[in-house]
Amino acid sequence: NAGVTQTPKFQVLKTGQSMTLQCAQDMNHEYMSWYRQDPGMGLRLIHYSVGAGITDQGEVPNGYNVSRSTTEDFPLRLLSAAPSQTSVYFCASSSRGLGYTFGSGTRLTVV
Amino acid sequence: EDQVTQSPEALRLQEGESSSLNCSYTVSGLRGLFWYRQDPGKGPEFLFTLYSAGEEKEKERLKATLTKKESFLHITAPKPEDSATYLCAVPTRAGGSYIPTFGRGTSLIVHP
Repeated sequence: NAGVTQTPKFQVLKTGQSMTLQCAQDMNHEYMSWYRQDPGMGLRLIHYSVGAGITDQGEVPNGYNVSRSTTEDFPLRLLSAAPSQTSVYFCASSSRGLGYTFGSGTRLTVV
Repeated sequence: EDQVTQSPEALRLQEGESSSLNCSYTVSGLRGLFWYRQDPGKGPEFLFTLYSAGEEKEKERLKATLTKKESFLHITAPKPEDSATYLCAVPTRAGGSYIPTFGRGTSLIVHP
């Protein structure tokens, strides 16, 4: 099925560990974004990309890195996990910045 | 600063009791307004895009409208399966592009 695929669905990390959240889309969308969703805070933009090789920071980029080497993939790297990064992470993609398609999310707990 | 505000934060309705959700925005040069539905444990699901004041779009029991300052999501004769969180978003300037900024959502519960 076409769409946005996120892996893993659940992850528990220890403080200081690093990991990569994977995101892949098969709709040939130029735009891809990472959001985090916390209770009472809504969806907040972490990083985004408007095409392969082009990335930029969103509202809450600290502690996260991204790269976009292909149109399909947009991984999010946590450099040194902190409890404040406990959240649900969503990847989304869009053609020309119109209605975004979201993945099913990764629920991350940092202990 | 661009801002998207949704109200109410939570809404409880009886089945068949129509109501409206509000999304107000303060952006210069609106480039569209998006409505999404989010079920617990899932990602947001796209519902509508509205581009200009006066525009309306419908899907089943949902109708979205847009003015110059706000959008309404009208729910007519809701059913329990309409229970979800409804999110609105507007594209806001991020670097050289426009990326959706989301409101905090309205949690809707429809009781049978």
